[in-house]
Formats: sequence, structure tokens, C-alpha cells
Amino acid sequence: DAGVIQSPRHEVTEMGQEVTLRCKPISGHNSLFWYRQTMMRGLELLIYFNNNVPIDDSGMPEDRFSAKMPNASFSTLKIQPSEPRDSAVYFCASSLASGGAWDTQYFGPGTRLTVL
Amino acid sequence: GQNIDQPTEMTATEGAIVQINCTYQTSGFNGLFWYQQHAGEAPTFLSYNVLDGLEEKGRFSSFLSRSKGYSYLLLKELQMKDSASYLCAVRDELGNTGFQKLVFGTGTRLLVSP
Repeated sequence: DAGVIQSPRHEVTEMGQEVTLRCKPISGHNSLFWYRQTMMRGLELLIYFNNNVPIDDSGMPEDRFSAKMPNASFSTLKIQPSEPRDSAVYFCASSLASGGAWDTQYFGPGTRLTVL
Repeated sequence: GQNIDQPTEMTATEGAIVQINCTYQTSGFNGLFWYQQHAGEAPTFLSYNVLDGLEEKGRFSSFLSRSKGYSYLLLKELQMKDSASYLCAVRDELGNTGFQKLVFGTGTRLLVSP
């Protein structure tokens, strides 16, 4: 199994630019999560998709952030316009949300975003 | 509200035993996870508790007391490679959606020295 795939691994951009982060979940998983991790705030859930439908986006910081999941094997997180305070590591995770005990989330390698 | 507390940092010696505590206050509870995260890498699943008691998996064990809102991760026979952050996460209900999400603590950075 290839695991969760994220791209790019590193992104450096200037304030005001648009940033698009990409994620391919584990095949067969029906839930996808976008997280942001910073030293100050730890790992925060941004948005949660189940069967390609957004279930909870209450963690999305503001309107500059948007996420899509057009199909079961692909999701994007977009920041437009980007700001220096968006600098963080963004993780994508997927799970098989069967409702049982073992719907463990598996994390991708993350995208380290630096906004100058 | 949701609140998960862990110590920020701990140090221990190779070969020793260390216990990392986690206390939580969440609106719902459907299990507690421990993840390990090495610097610059993704979190990886270590253990899961949903019932009170101890779950043992090799050198790692995790304990849960739901009445006390308390868990700990016990690492035995510490090795240098155990130097990492350890994240406690509670599975909580997501409003009235019928879905659940993980709420993470800020993590405990463990430094194992020779």
C-alpha cells in the first residue's frame, strides 16, 4: 500500500500568492482529513470529508481557505491569498470510517508551507 | 469545550521507563489514541483505548480511566529512536452529524539520552 500521498512536500511562496496543496488518500478509505500543525497550536483539524462530502469545516480559519474533494482519490486545500501566519505543516490523513473502533487515521508526509 | 493536556517535554535515559500522561475534558468520548511523531515526519499510530484498563503492545503500553479523564503511555526499555513527540488524541462526536473526529493534544516531546 502506497499510503497517503501529499504534494508538494515543501512550498515557499510570497504573501498574496495562491497556494494549492494536494492529497491522495489510501485506496478504499472513505474519510479524509486536512490538519495544520504549528508549534504554538499543535495539530488542528481544518476540514473533514466523508464519501467526498464535507462533514465539518469549522476548523477552516477563514474564507481564504477552501478545500475540495472531487472524487474518492483526490483532494485539494487552497489558500488564496496566502499570508505569513499560514506558515505551518499541513497534513492530510485518511481512514475507513466504518463506525467501529478501529477507524485509525493514517497520515501523509505533510507539506511544509512557508509564506514570506 | 474540549481540552487535552499533556506535559510539553520530558527527558529520560536509554533503557529506562517513562510514563507520559494525558488528561482530557471533551463533550463526548469514543476512544483515545496515542500517536508517535518523529521530527519532520508524520504522526504514526501507536495505540488505542476505548475501555478502562491497560493495553500492552511490546515495549509500549497505554492505560485509560474514563471516569478520571486520564490516560498514560508507558514506554519501557527506552531506545534512542524513541526520541519523538507523543500525541494524545480523543475521538469525539461531531455535533449531531453522527460522525466523529479526533481532537489532539499539543504533544509531549520526549528526549532519550545515552
